[in-house]
This record gives sequence, structure tokens and C-alpha cells, in this order.
Amino acid sequence: ETGVTQTPRHLVMGMTNKKSLKCEQHLGHNAMYWYKQSAKKPLELMFVYNFKEQTENNSVPSRFSPECPNSSHLFLHLHTLQPEDSALYLCASSQGTSGDNEQFFGPGTRLTVL
Amino acid sequence: DAKTTQPNSMESNEEEPVHLPCNHSTISGTDYIHWYRQLPSQGPEYVIHGLTSNVNNRMASLAIAEDRKSSTLILHRATLRDAAVYYCILRNFGNEKLTFGTGTRLTIIP
Repeated sequence: ETGVTQTPRHLVMGMTNKKSLKCEQHLGHNAMYWYKQSAKKPLELMFVYNFKEQTENNSVPSRFSPECPNSSHLFLHLHTLQPEDSALYLCASSQGTSGDNEQFFGPGTRLTVL
Repeated sequence: DAKTTQPNSMESNEEEPVHLPCNHSTISGTDYIHWYRQLPSQGPEYVIHGLTSNVNNRMASLAIAEDRKSSTLILHRATLRDAAVYYCILRNFGNEKLTFGTGTRLTIIP
């Protein structure tokens, strides 16, 4: 247990569906992140939030919409996804965003888009 | 952030020490050296990080070369649970991004 939880752990959705991924951290951290891990590719950073403000959008398509209502919760809203969006979506948190901070990752949501 | 180079894969016997190398010849003075690992079907897990001096924690030791152009992650006594992909990542002090490469896949032989 890392103190970062993600729900659901598995999700299957059609291309016309709308779904949301949820992440919650119980560590009192100020920064939260979304990453995507596709098969046989390195983890890719998607979004960074620091004190609820988005500070990084790594050229992510608009069909992925993040939301950070407070420092403990992070959502990723999904709509009209493509099959190539099937991947493991990982959430992480850290105390701060400077380079000497370690990140704590959740177990991920395995997403399959049909 | 500067690039790192790691072997694609390594094998080690159970209960023996493991030395995982990482080259980072273009490291800058404000780049931290981070190590994470990812066990099968799990999210990445922080292992250790350092700047200039060697570091020890309950999981591993990090040995940093004097010129900082390379580093070695040391697992003192490998167990089967240490089988994972190990990532060596340089992260500048002012950079909020953690950029993962392909890492080293460590196999532990019973």
C-alpha cells in the first residue's frame, strides 16, 4: 500500500461511452499526476496538478479531461476514446514538484476501449 | 532532463547482491538521480534518489561516481520479490516531470 488508491482497477468501455477514473491520496501531498503506460512503451506523463492547479498538460488529446477538486483527489474524465487509448493509467502524488521529491504511485486502472 | 543509459536486462541469483548500472554522461549539476522499480502488474515504486553523495535506505544503496556521470543501484541481498523493471531517471531540481525510459528488467534466479 502506497497511500494512493485508484478506482476502478479495471474498466472496459465503448468508444461512445463516458467514464471517469478516480485517484485519492492519503499522504497529505500537494501534487498529483496522471501517467499513461501503453503496452511495450515507457510511462508517459499526461498531467500535473500542484495545489489543485494544472501546471502541465503533456499535449494530451481533449478526449482526456482531468479534474482536481482538492489536493487529495484527482479525476480523469474519458469520452469518445479510441482503441489505441487502451492502456494502464497510473496516478501518483508527491509532497512537492521539485526534483528532489519522490512520487508515490497507485496501482493503476487497466482501461480497455472496444 | 539529461538522458540515461541502462542495460535492457540482467539476471542475478537469489540471496546475492545485485549491482544495476546507469550511465548519465550529460548530467547537470542540479540533476537528481532517481531510481524507481515496477513489479509485474503494479505501479512504479520509489526506491532511492541522490544528488552527489552515496545514499542508503532500507531498500537499497545508491553509489554515485565522483564525476556523477554514472551511478549504481545496489540491492544487497536479492529476493524473488525484487524481480522488476528498474528505472534510472535524472530529474532536474526545477523540473516537475519524471521521465521514464525503458529501464532494466531484473530477473532473480532461485
